[in-house]
Amino acid sequence: GIQVEQSPPDLILQEGANSTLRCNFSDSVNNLQWFHQNPWGQLINLFYIPSGTKQNGRLSATTVATERYSLLYISSSQTTDSGVYFCAAWSGNTGKLIFGQGTTLQVKP
Amino acid sequence: NAGVMQNPRHLVRRRGQEARLRCSPMKGHSHVYWYRQLPEEGLKFMVYLQKENIIDESGMPKERFSAEFPKEGPSILRIQQVVRGDSAAYFCASSPDSYEQFFGPGTRLTVL
Repeated sequence: GIQVEQSPPDLILQEGANSTLRCNFSDSVNNLQWFHQNPWGQLINLFYIPSGTKQNGRLSATTVATERYSLLYISSSQTTDSGVYFCAAWSGNTGKLIFGQGTTLQVKP
Repeated sequence: NAGVMQNPRHLVRRRGQEARLRCSPMKGHSHVYWYRQLPEEGLKFMVYLQKENIIDESGMPKERFSAEFPKEGPSILRIQQVVRGDSAAYFCASSPDSYEQFFGPGTRLTVL
């Protein structure tokens, strides 16, 4: 089945800094999503982005399906951005999301 | 449009008891998925259901675990004779079309 790898595993930023998180996947995808798991454990949908580029406020994401990777950009980071960011994808007709191991982000004031 | 609802949010069981986790999908969503997050790990797929049908249960442990999504009412994930290794966060997701999935707040199961 498809494999999803994220980098870096951990990231520490000063408030106001920008960052890029990467997600590589091993096969062509029908669905790719980015999530933020906040310190209370809730999973927040950030982007549904099997291809192309989307922006939502300070966050944007780009998926280059032909090269099998996706990037999540966080600009002007805030302490509330702290948490774990997951990339998840599925291919074929399974419908089941395969999650990466996540990037743990800590934004310091 | 309310989001995906899960209850209870926290559940404590003693070894050998049964755990029932409930999930109400978003209005208009007929696809339901269950995922498990063990401590300090990522999320793992368990089962994919549509109304009255199990589509894919390849991630479900072979014993003690079952899931259903009846014609009326919420989807239920049932764990019989719980063991300490079942302690985890269980997330339900729903989708209108089997593409983008929307997640509930999760049920945190603790087995004493």
